[in-house]
Amino acid sequence: KQEVTQIPAALSVPEGENLVLNCSFTDSAIYNLQWFRQDPGKGLTSLLLIQSSQREQTSGRLNASLDKSSGRSTLYIAASQPGDSATYLCAVNTGNQFYFGTGTSLTVIP
Amino acid sequence: GAVVSQHPSRVICKSGTSVKIECRSLDFQATTMFWYRQFPKQSLMLMATSNEGSKATYEQGVEKDKFLINHASLTLSTLTVTSAHPEDSSFYICSARDPKPINEKLFFGSGTQLSVL
Repeated sequence: KQEVTQIPAALSVPEGENLVLNCSFTDSAIYNLQWFRQDPGKGLTSLLLIQSSQREQTSGRLNASLDKSSGRSTLYIAASQPGDSATYLCAVNTGNQFYFGTGTSLTVIP
Repeated sequence: GAVVSQHPSRVICKSGTSVKIECRSLDFQATTMFWYRQFPKQSLMLMATSNEGSKATYEQGVEKDKFLINHASLTLSTLTVTSAHPEDSSFYICSARDPKPINEKLFFGSGTQLSVL
């Protein structure tokens, strides 16, 4: 069974810093991997999706990478802002099911 | 982009009553929808996979008679929490899979906070 882990569980950084969130998965047979953002008491907002054949995807200040063979993905956030404060979740799509990580709670201090 | 609407966003009910939560895909047809439960500061726990026109597939440990799922159309799935009890209080989120093969993205509703008194 696929297991998805996110490290760190919580992260606090000053505004303006670049940061990296990590996601690891145990089975490399994936269809794609998706990064989400969740604000307190809200649903999930899709940030980036990387297909299994891709190495990275970029959207604005966000860059997600995928190394399928090693079972790892990273989400890079450049020039962090207080509005980036939220919980970030990665989800692995095996084709039949989506497996979610435990999330990283990010706080950007003004 | 694709939009999934979930309603209601918050419900407070008395113990023993039933609560229905709706999940609609607004601009695409979703043959598959997923229902999750989330406890504070925890990740999503998949409860069931809802398939249009057939019975839902429940995850181990999820009571089928407690959490009734109906996916009667390609744009609507409902979750009914029957005879709700305080331990059912939680945040429930639905998602729908964008069927376009090039995307295969998951889109989420905004969630429903259920509080059972």
